[in-house]
Amino acid sequence: DAGVIQSPRHEVTEMGQEVTLRCKPISGHDYLFWYRQTMMRGLELLIYFNNNVPIDDSGMPEDRFSAKMPNASFSTLKIQPSEPRDSAVYFCASSPQRADYQPQHFGDGTRLSIL
Amino acid sequence: GESVGLHLPTLSVQEGDNSIINCAYSNSASDYFIWYKQESGKGPQFIIDIRSNMDKRQGQRVTVLLNKTVKHLSLQIAATQPGDSAVYFCAEANAGKSTFGDGTTLTVKP
Repeated sequence: DAGVIQSPRHEVTEMGQEVTLRCKPISGHDYLFWYRQTMMRGLELLIYFNNNVPIDDSGMPEDRFSAKMPNASFSTLKIQPSEPRDSAVYFCASSPQRADYQPQHFGDGTRLSIL
Repeated sequence: GESVGLHLPTLSVQEGDNSIINCAYSNSASDYFIWYKQESGKGPQFIIDIRSNMDKRQGQRVTVLLNKTVKHLSLQIAATQPGDSAVYFCAEANAGKSTFGDGTTLTVKP
């Protein structure tokens, strides 16, 4: 079975540029999560969706960050404008319906570097 | 605030020995706990989970223990192998939302 697919795997761009990260969840999973991982802050939940609807975006750091899920098989996380402190590894994860007792399945992440 | 933290940031064991990784949590409302393994350059991978109505669960070479009285979770790995070297995270979940601990780096010496 295909796991969670994220693209690109690596992104290097200059500050001020728009960055778009993409995620394809596991087919049939109803929950989708976006995380950010840094050495200083660990793994932080940014936002999660249930059936394409954002449920909790309290972890989104600023208005520069936005996430969408136009359909069940695709989600984007956008940063505009990007700043050096946004450099991190961004993970997408999905889980089946009734996620309260289901582990999350993670992609291999996008390593983002903002110069 | 509520947080999940790990007691030890690093653990080094000899190949073949048993490993114990500990985790403390603070949200008494959490009813589901998960251990993940993260290898370099990859996302966290599910190892084993446990619901709050249990105190022990066993998998293949791994056991999770839950002590709700002191809000403590542990992961035991039997006969640790070089392939077990990774960062291990505990996570507590409530209503579908997970909070991750800081992670413990396990190094297995041959």
